[in-house]
Amino acid sequence: AQKVTQAQTEISVVEKEDVTLDCVYETRDTTYYLFWYKQPPSGELVFLIRRNSFDEQNEISGRYSWNFQKSTSSFNFTITASQVVDSAVYFCALRRVEYGNKLVFGAGTILRVKS
Amino acid sequence: DGGITQSPKYLFRKEGQNVTLSCEQNLNHDAMYWYRQDPGQGLRLIYYSQIVNDFQKGDIAEGYSVSREKKESFPLTVTSAQKNPTAFYLCASTRGQHEAFFGQGTRLTVV
Repeated sequence: AQKVTQAQTEISVVEKEDVTLDCVYETRDTTYYLFWYKQPPSGELVFLIRRNSFDEQNEISGRYSWNFQKSTSSFNFTITASQVVDSAVYFCALRRVEYGNKLVFGAGTILRVKS
Repeated sequence: DGGITQSPKYLFRKEGQNVTLSCEQNLNHDAMYWYRQDPGQGLRLIYYSQIVNDFQKGDIAEGYSVSREKKESFPLTVTSAQKNPTAFYLCASTRGQHEAFFGQGTRLTVV
């Protein structure tokens, strides 16, 4: 079965703290893609990053960084020096290339950043 | 501007009624998806389509139907067989292995 698990239902931090959102996935596919999306209160999902199964390089984009470890099937997302505007629901997703590009999401993590 | 348009933003359905949610994209994307979002359950896949005139069931297709007669359009019908349709519905499209683009969603409420 293909599954994405985001074990943290909700996280609260104080502004300027660092926070890591966990994502663990299950798949037997050889080729797949992983994504992170942000959902602000408006409801529309905003794309943050894509990573394919053959690229385990970590990535940093401003205050955001991602750690992909195939050995542990994890694709964690870290926000450094969090800000109130980071408050949102964050989703991790898995796309199965070998099965018609089926795109499966985790349950999401609610991040609350307090000033 | 290119994007995905979902309409209506809010929809009210009476018990036993079928309703259709619209999803249109002008991004020339081949694949389109419908998701349902309930509090605490993330996004669950209802149906998806890779090409025109072809679509596959997702994880929760019962009580829903779709069509893909045009590349740009992927309407979702919530039938009376769907016993608990109150939810937030999101449509998405994607090209190849690139990221999916999402519409702004339709909030459906049974009255």
